[in-house]
This record gives sequence, structure tokens and C-alpha cells, in this order.
Amino acid sequence: QKEVEQNSGPLSVPEGAIASLNCTYSDRGSQSFFWYRQYSGKSPELIMSIYSNGDKEDGRFTAQLNKASQYVSLLIRDSQPSDSATYLCAVKGGTYKYIFGTGTRLKVLA
Amino acid sequence: DAGVIQSPRHEVTEMGQEVTLRCKPISGHDYLFWYRQTMMRGLELLIYFNNNVPIDDSGMPEDRFSAKMPNASFSTLKIQPSEPRDSAVYFCASSRLAGIFDEQYFGPGTRLTVT
Repeated sequence: QKEVEQNSGPLSVPEGAIASLNCTYSDRGSQSFFWYRQYSGKSPELIMSIYSNGDKEDGRFTAQLNKASQYVSLLIRDSQPSDSATYLCAVKGGTYKYIFGTGTRLKVLA
Repeated sequence: DAGVIQSPRHEVTEMGQEVTLRCKPISGHDYLFWYRQTMMRGLELLIYFNNNVPIDDSGMPEDRFSAKMPNASFSTLKIQPSEPRDSAVYFCASSRLAGIFDEQYFGPGTRLTVT
């Protein structure tokens, strides 16, 4: 079992819809969770971090964390074609190490 | 404030040649990380430094890879000799600290092609 799992996609959603990206992790001791967006040929860009159970909203983005079920999700409201990218989930435990998932490719159709 | 800087952005070399990748972390960041990204394996941590000292190099694939950080503003990742399977995008990232709330910021990456 991979430490951080994501569906590779592509996840296709129409413009204006809500895109829902999911991530599960295996280490129950994980304490912080991050979502990075990576455009093709570019570097990962941090878009959200979440540390407590529940929801965290930032503009059109909402991160959701459920530690009991060991999953974290990212919702993108009013999806735009410019949101088309690969979204990487990263999990950090008690050490410095980020463990990255392999990413979910999102395609927003105009 | 400048982000993480990497050079070169692209490197094409022949098998057996030495390759040196360079990174300048964000000023004031005490932690520096080297990652490799491939389609097959995703983003893998190779090594990280704290205050210029290598802390964990367990991700370095083999002895052909080495990394140094001679000062707080410069690090290198060297591959000698290079092999075609080393072809990947190499990212450098930095963070101020390494606590659970500390976030990593990535450089633009170096795309390495070994023929």
C-alpha cells in the first residue's frame, strides 16, 4: 500500500462545476496536509494547507480533513479552464518529510 | 522576495558525463530539499539539509549521486557518471523550519535528459 494515494485521473469537469479531489494516507501519525497544484512543465505550487479536522476555505478552494478516516480532499468551486493541472497531495508526520501522492490530473472543459 | 532559484533549467548530456545541478534557497530558510520527479515514481525526496548539514540522504538512489551545501545560499546535486535512467525533473525546495506547520516552496526545476 502506498503511503499517500490519489486517483491519477484524468478527472474531467465542466466549467463552473465543483471539482472534488481525494487523497488517502496510511500513517495515522500524520499531522499536516498540503495540496499543491502543478501545471504541465512547471513546479509544484502550494495552494492549501490543513492541520485540523474539518474544512478550511480559501477563495474557491476548500480543503477537508478527516483524520479518523485518513483522507483529505480538495474542492474547487466554479472550476475554470485555468484550474486544469495536476494536483498533488502531500502529508507530513512528526518529521520534516513530505510524502507526496502521484497526483490527480484535472481537466476543466470549457 | 525571490523564490527558490535553480540552474540550469534544462540539461542534456550524454551517458557517462558528470552533471551538476544548482540551487539557491529562499533567504532565511534553514531547510533545503532535493526531489526528483518522474512519471513512473512521482515526486521523490532525495536528500535534505538543515543549516547546510545533510540530515537524511536515504533517498539518494546510489553512489553516483552526491549533494553538497557549502553555505546557506547554495547547494549542488551532482551525478557522476550519468545514466539514461537519471532522466527526470529535479526540484529543489526550501522551508524556513521543518515543523508540522512549515511549508515547502519549490524552485522551477531542472529538466535533465541523459542520452
